[in-house]
Amino acid sequence: NAGVTQTPKFRVLKTGQSMTLLCAQDMNHEYMYWYRQDPGMGLRLIHYSVGEGTTAKGEVPDGYNVSRLKKQNFLLGLESAAPSQTSVYFCASSWEYTEAFFGQGTRLTVV
Amino acid sequence: GEDVEQSLFLSVREGDSSVINCTYTDSSSTYLYWYKQEPGAGLQLLTYIFSNMDMKQDQRLTVLLNKKDKHLSLRIADTQTGDSAIYFCAELTGRRALTFGSGTRLQVQP
Repeated sequence: NAGVTQTPKFRVLKTGQSMTLLCAQDMNHEYMYWYRQDPGMGLRLIHYSVGEGTTAKGEVPDGYNVSRLKKQNFLLGLESAAPSQTSVYFCASSWEYTEAFFGQGTRLTVV
Repeated sequence: GEDVEQSLFLSVREGDSSVINCTYTDSSSTYLYWYKQEPGAGLQLLTYIFSNMDMKQDQRLTVLLNKKDKHLSLRIADTQTGDSAIYFCAELTGRRALTFGSGTRLQVQP
């Protein structure tokens, strides 16, 4: 039982490159979230999903896209990476109103 | 709007009690949470409280909720060096997404 798994764990991108971060959960959770964590700013919600095939914008959605084609996977895409997207990205999943389980994070650097 | 605020830093001596404070603004919040993050790791849930409760105790942890003032606190009794971490409060908002504060770094001195 792996919980929430994020891949990759580290990545360096050049400005303008694209990439996809994968989040997989094996707990049959309905809700999945993508956050970014920057020093002194806590976790800010990028996008989230309340079920397979659904997505919604969070606080800081610009520059990111997401898809939830399968219940267990939530993908976060950066179409054209910018240095401002250098951050640590966390995925989480939960049932409604219950504990959110977090992945270990993806450290992304855009140069 | 939704905004969760916390002080950034707290230093205590081992064995003392720690109190971490949080204020939130979304009056429709149903659940409020405390998460702990150790260096290089994700977040782990410590405890949570439902919005119709005033207090919840769980071993060394006590959560107090003042709904009128939208103030949440986490008290850690007999703080240990292993409690050193960043503590986040979070609220489950009306749109069913967790909104986090900026985190309080707790430093426990031996």
